[in-house]
Amino acid sequence: AQSVAQPEDQVNVAEGNPLTVKCTYSVSGNPYLFWYVQYPNRGLQFLLKYITGDNLVKGSYGFEAEFNKSQTSFHLKKPSALVSDSALYFCAVRDDNRGSTLGRLYFGRGTQLTVWP
Amino acid sequence: DGGITQSPKYLFRKEGQNVTLSCEQNLNHDAMYWYRQDPGQGLRLIYYSQIVNDFQKGDIAEGYSVSREKKESFPLTVTSAQKNPTAFYLCASSMSGQVNTGELFFGEGSRLTVL
Repeated sequence: AQSVAQPEDQVNVAEGNPLTVKCTYSVSGNPYLFWYVQYPNRGLQFLLKYITGDNLVKGSYGFEAEFNKSQTSFHLKKPSALVSDSALYFCAVRDDNRGSTLGRLYFGRGTQLTVWP
Repeated sequence: DGGITQSPKYLFRKEGQNVTLSCEQNLNHDAMYWYRQDPGQGLRLIYYSQIVNDFQKGDIAEGYSVSREKKESFPLTVTSAQKNPTAFYLCASSMSGQVNTGELFFGEGSRLTVL
């Protein structure tokens, strides 16, 4: 079974400090991993994805994520947080097994990030 | 501009009424999805469709129905059989086929409130 865990419901950081939003996953094959961001009453916006290759993935708005296969993790990071980064962040996964439903993603419960000025 | 359009943005319904949420995309994507979002529960898949005239149940399909008569359109009907329909509903689409890396494109959502 495929699943995603986001162990923190909320993350609070001061503006200018580095931020980390945690994600761990479980898949039967090799993972395809994604981060999305959601602002209040809006749809989800794609931030970045890991398919293969370099374990450090760079995405939109200065975000990056590090894939760690041994720890089955894909934590989202940013070196210097902005107040405008405050939003709900979702991690998602699917595996590369051809038997799985193409395009179906499994989402975590979300982590609310608050950046204080 | 290419994208996904959901309507209405806000909808109020009395108990016992069916309502239909619209989802239209002009991205030429084969696959379309409906998710339900509740606070603290993340996104749960209701229905998905990989091709016109075909769709499959997701994890929480009871009380919902869909159709896929056109590639661009994937409407969701919330029936009176859905016991707790108040939620934020998100429509998404993606490319299909072996080259698909699974990235979803989302609409802006529809918030349904049952009175």
